Amino acid sequence: DGGITQSPKYLFRKEGQNVTLSCEQNLNHDAMYWYRQDPGQGLRLIYYSQIVNDFQKGDIAEGYSVSREKKESFPLTVTSAQKNPTAFYLCASSIALAGDETQYFGPGTRLLVL
Amino acid sequence: KQEVTQIPAALSVPEGENLVLNCSFTDSAIYNLQWFRQDPGKGLTSLLLIQSSQREQTSGRLNASLDKSSGRSTLYIAASQPGDSATYLCAVLGSKTSYDKVIFGPGTSLSVIP
Repeated sequence: DGGITQSPKYLFRKEGQNVTLSCEQNLNHDAMYWYRQDPGQGLRLIYYSQIVNDFQKGDIAEGYSVSREKKESFPLTVTSAQKNPTAFYLCASSIALAGDETQYFGPGTRLLVL
Repeated sequence: KQEVTQIPAALSVPEGENLVLNCSFTDSAIYNLQWFRQDPGKGLTSLLLIQSSQREQTSGRLNASLDKSSGRSTLYIAASQPGDSATYLCAVLGSKTSYDKVIFGPGTSLSVIP
């Protein structure tokens, strides 16, 4: 079955620790995205990637980093510089950057701070 | 800057009722608008995508309309079922050249009571 997977489902971070969220897709999509969702708010774009070895900052990139070494993978690292990381993180992909193409979402990772 | 709002934040209806969810956006110059469904703790599922040149889209019991001039879209759900209980989000894309960014509303949480 084609789709997007995210792991882990829950992730706990200690003070000063970097953590990495995994996102994998086997849809052969070129574009991938990371969003953050907070209660009562819409999704906010963290980073996006149009193609392998390319990525751009979204609205709230500070404290986050990404890489796109393979087409199917777009991991997100939440660094210690991100002071309020507790949120629900959603990864998405689309055939090309979202214009006429719809985005397909993974199941999400919930990050909690210890 | 585009802002997307959804009112009400939460809605509870008895099974079988027809209902309307609202989405408003401040900048009428949009490229398209999309409705998503999100189940608790899960990713988003695309329901309907309306291009700016279209007035409405239908899929099964769902009908989405778009009025760009007034900055509004509605999602009509006919004969609601308990399985329709979820959070419904709308998202707008400003232009095809800003295809990297989709602005999401905060969502309406729908409960359909058996």
